[in-house]
Amino acid sequence: QQQVKQSPQSLIVQKGGISIINCAYENTAFDYFPWYQQFPGKGPALLIAIRPDVSEKKEGRFTISFNKSAKQFSLHIMDSQPGDSATYFCAASPNTGNQFYFGTGTSLTVIP
Amino acid sequence: DVKVTQSSRYLVKRTGEKVFLECVQDMDHENMFWYRQDPGLGLRLIYFSYDVKMKEKGDIPEGYSVSREKKERFSLILESASTNQTSMYLCASSPLWGENEKLFFGSGTQLSVL
Repeated sequence: QQQVKQSPQSLIVQKGGISIINCAYENTAFDYFPWYQQFPGKGPALLIAIRPDVSEKKEGRFTISFNKSAKQFSLHIMDSQPGDSATYFCAASPNTGNQFYFGTGTSLTVIP
Repeated sequence: DVKVTQSSRYLVKRTGEKVFLECVQDMDHENMFWYRQDPGLGLRLIYFSYDVKMKEKGDIPEGYSVSREKKERFSLILESASTNQTSMYLCASSPLWGENEKLFFGSGTQLSVL
């Protein structure tokens, strides 16, 4: 069973628009929530991550919003650019460490 | 920069063959992982290792085994390849779990089993 549920599966956004990807989890032992970005032909790379003690983390145009009570978190990409076109994975890791559970991925296309 | 190198980018094998996928990391990381990536299923953990000669099963270990004889090298073995093991295989490494857990991935091996 999928420990982290991710939506949508694919997303098309106009250049300059906001891209939003959502994830949800059930396991309350999760305490670290990273997002990975994957370009075609490459492995995923860490984009941004958050811990549950804060509700939002921003790095440049990328923001994670975290709702602990709802067990949901989302990635917002402001002013989306064609270079942001990639597959995005959310993930969660328990406080016991050593394991990541990934979402199913979102294919983002930003059209000029 | 951390480098995780997977020996093959593309691999074509026959059903029943024994297949070795090799992964080497150059940052002295304790943890190493093998994932498979399938459309609509995301990344699923096959095995991981937190030390030389140590291994732990992930979510989908059936049909696979691993070997870690040296810290920098982690091998995934398909004892008898089957068509349902056609997939993208991703190796990753990370330092000991601490404040900034981060996986470093290789570029992947696309395995086709015919």
